[in-house]
Amino acid sequence: DSGVTQTPKHLITATGQRVTLRCSPRSGDLSVYWYQQSLDQGLQFLIQYYNGEERAKGNILERFSAQQFPDLHSELNLSSLELGDSALYFCASSVETHRLAGDHPYEQYFGPGTRLTVT
Amino acid sequence: SQQGEEDPQALSIQEGENATMNCSYKTSINNLQWYRQNSGRGLVHLILIRSNEREKHSGRLRVTLDTSKKSSSLLITASRAADTASYFCATDDYMNRDDKIIFGKGTRLHILP
Repeated sequence: DSGVTQTPKHLITATGQRVTLRCSPRSGDLSVYWYQQSLDQGLQFLIQYYNGEERAKGNILERFSAQQFPDLHSELNLSSLELGDSALYFCASSVETHRLAGDHPYEQYFGPGTRLTVT
Repeated sequence: SQQGEEDPQALSIQEGENATMNCSYKTSINNLQWYRQNSGRGLVHLILIRSNEREKHSGRLRVTLDTSKKSSSLLITASRAADTASYFCATDDYMNRDDKIIFGKGTRLHILP
């Protein structure tokens, strides 16, 4: 158990709908990352938040948005869903964030994922 | 775009044998990490090696890094059935001043009884 929780575990919805995925990081972790994993695209980094602020952005579609709340939990909102959005969505957290010269990112702790099926 | 690329895509070996997986990447890095994923579950961090390190050990895991060839290898010795999983390398980008790490597509390892 990584200490990162994600809800719901499974979600089945229809095209055109909107869903919200929730993530609670490990106690004390300030940084939250969202990933999408599908068979054809592999594990794709979507977005990172640190202490409530967006820190890094990856291949996140404009139909997707995220935020991190003052209690550090995060939500990923997916709208106008398409069949191709069906995937596993993972959240991960890490203690800190820093990019000083010679430093490295802390290891990330992954949640169990939310399996989204769009029909 | 994918930074790391693992090879082979899939590997089946007998229990007790050693398993070797390779990762190649494209840009200069500060560090490289290996993660394991059991089917449909979240990823678990295994080991991190910095760009100024050449080899690192953790239990039955041995990771090497060759920055001149932009490649890394993960060796699992004396494999066990519980090692059956997908293994991913993940790299940062030396030029980017953020925490983004990019995962490869993984190697699926199957340990045969």
